[in-house]
Amino acid sequence: NAGVTQTPKFQVLKTGQSMTLQCAQDMNHNSMYWYRQDPGMGLRLIYYSASEGTTDKGEVPNGYNVSRLNKREFSLRLESAAPSQTSVYFCASSELLAFGEQFFGPGTRLTVL
Amino acid sequence: DQQVKQNSPSLSVQEGRISILNCDYTNSMFDYFLWYKKYPAEGPTFLISISSIKDKNEDGRFTVFLNKSAKHLSLHIVPSQPGDSAVYFCAALRRRGTYKYIFGTGTRLKVLA
Repeated sequence: NAGVTQTPKFQVLKTGQSMTLQCAQDMNHNSMYWYRQDPGMGLRLIYYSASEGTTDKGEVPNGYNVSRLNKREFSLRLESAAPSQTSVYFCASSELLAFGEQFFGPGTRLTVL
Repeated sequence: DQQVKQNSPSLSVQEGRISILNCDYTNSMFDYFLWYKKYPAEGPTFLISISSIKDKNEDGRFTVFLNKSAKHLSLHIVPSQPGDSAVYFCAALRRRGTYKYIFGTGTRLKVLA
């Protein structure tokens, strides 16, 4: 089992460019999450998906969109990247929403110039 | 509004001694708490959790204590080992309602050999 995988590992964008961060899990989990980690801020929830077909905003959703493509995959899209979106992005999954531990991917380091 | 606070950004401990990491929260509706460990360039990994109906949970060298009246939890690592050197995040969850994991800002633990 690969657990939670994320692509790409690193990305540099120019202001205004768009991109999609991909996430997949092979644990048959129902719930998936996107976080960003910034220095001194901890992890902040961007969006989450309780189950296939549903998505909800987290703490910092502005500037992002998500798609729960199927049970395995949950993508995060930046339509028009801004320097404030420079961060490390983590995808996570859990068996059920709000129950038990989350399993995290290795992260995507994004720099927006 | 930081609902989960880790007031010590860093902590150094001698190998073999006890490490105590602290976490305070403000929302009395949180009913589940977790600790995660994070190594550089990796995603966080789950360490230990505690439900609000308990005041202690133990797993090997790791013990989490919950003081609901003080809205305080702590992670004890005994004995500390150099491999425990990492950033530790506490997280809180309100299982009914918001379904969002709220993370603290992290404490960097360094175990000195």
